[in-house]
Amino acid sequence: DVVMTQSPLSLPVTLGQPASISCRSSQSLVDSAGNTYLNWYQQRPGQSPRRLIYKVSIRDSGVPDRFSGSGSGTDFTLKISRVEAEDVGIYYCMQGTHWPGTFGQGTKVEIK
Amino acid sequence: QLQLQESGPGLVKPSETLSLTCAVSGGSISSGYYYWGWVRQSPGKGLEWIGSVSYSGTTYYIPSIKSRLSISADTSKNQFSLSLSSVTAADTAVYYCVRDSGHFSIDYWGQGALVTVSS
Repeated sequence: DVVMTQSPLSLPVTLGQPASISCRSSQSLVDSAGNTYLNWYQQRPGQSPRRLIYKVSIRDSGVPDRFSGSGSGTDFTLKISRVEAEDVGIYYCMQGTHWPGTFGQGTKVEIK
Repeated sequence: QLQLQESGPGLVKPSETLSLTCAVSGGSISSGYYYWGWVRQSPGKGLEWIGSVSYSGTTYYIPSIKSRLSISADTSKNQFSLSLSSVTAADTAVYYCVRDSGHFSIDYWGQGALVTVSS
């Protein structure tokens, strides 16, 4: 299975400041058609995960534009341009290029 | 708005069978090219996709538990179910039913059902 490694695992951030989460895969996530299936999920305390971004950089409907995804091959990043209180939670990357889909360990974002 | 809701026992004895059902509202499980599946979350292993049933009825199971797992869909009731046999404490987790729009892009999640395996 493809191993997804996130860093950092804990990310204390000051309100209004940017935050960045790295996600690396053990093999390239580019498929034979040139597509890259890398998603980002947010799990707020006590809630189910919610998809924020799919196919590396496409934001889901209703997701604030302060969230952005980037990357290629094996290295991917989720950025929050200005952290707000509602962004507290655990963020997971997940690859869907190789069967079975696998998640990263999660990065806990908290307010300093 | 599509909604998924898990139901089933919260406590299962070791060696017995864990059974959960996911009721889907706001859309039909038989329409569209979707996969209806289960993801579990345990403290020790984080989030883990364990299996799904496709729009055509094909099932997919993670190899590590394939011999114990069964997922089926009941289109007449607009629901799908999970059955995991011979459970151990390692199967204790929150089980989420999900909709996968393809390539493991999970766009809808249920609220989750905590299942504890204990005697």
